Amino acid sequence: GAGVSQSPSNKVTEKGKDVELRCDPISGHTALYWYRQSLGQGLEFLIYFQGNSAPDKSGLPSDRFSAERTGGSVSTLTIQRTQQEDSAVYLCASSLALIYGQGTDTQYFGPGTRLTVL
Amino acid sequence: AQSVSQHNHHVILSEAASLELGCNYSYGGTVNLFWYVQYPGQHLQLLLKYFSGDPLVKGIKGFEAEFIKSKFSFNLRKPSVQWSDTAEYFCAVRGGNAGNMLTFGGGTRLMVKP
Repeated sequence: GAGVSQSPSNKVTEKGKDVELRCDPISGHTALYWYRQSLGQGLEFLIYFQGNSAPDKSGLPSDRFSAERTGGSVSTLTIQRTQQEDSAVYLCASSLALIYGQGTDTQYFGPGTRLTVL
Repeated sequence: AQSVSQHNHHVILSEAASLELGCNYSYGGTVNLFWYVQYPGQHLQLLLKYFSGDPLVKGIKGFEAEFIKSKFSFNLRKPSVQWSDTAEYFCAVRGGNAGNMLTFGGGTRLMVKP
């Protein structure tokens, strides 16, 4: 079946502009995660959503970052007033279940959005 | 907080050499362990995973990993590497005190010389 898709694949923006990154998880997956991959910091968790529960925002680096997930499916990560240090590859992942120990909670990653802030 | 260490940042091997990549995590208790691979220009793909049971797990492309709870380790091995194994390898841990997100190691870049 189709995997996790993300758009755009590349985004170049000017410092101070807002950007929106989109993620379409695998159909039927109830959990959705955002990570970012940067040269200096490696792979870092940002936020995750599970069903109708309040999202875990513990990884968001500042209040310029926010995300929403509409209808339990598509998610949008928004970065306001972008800074050069926001340049990174933003990865989305989804998983079937979030119940710990259920044995099905493997996260599947999308191709990422490469964000470059000039 | 959970932390994951990968001991080697860069590894260069000749084809047919054996591979072992180290991975250690900081927090005990029940954890799920993963190795992901990122081939050049491609996205992260699951190589193998450990949830419970036999601590020696086998993944795709001849890779295996051994979970040693007493050492907080989950090292990745392959007896004979191929040029096509050139990629970046990430160890990841879920659980412990870190909730359901994955905590990744810094990655190991493997280059296999033909």
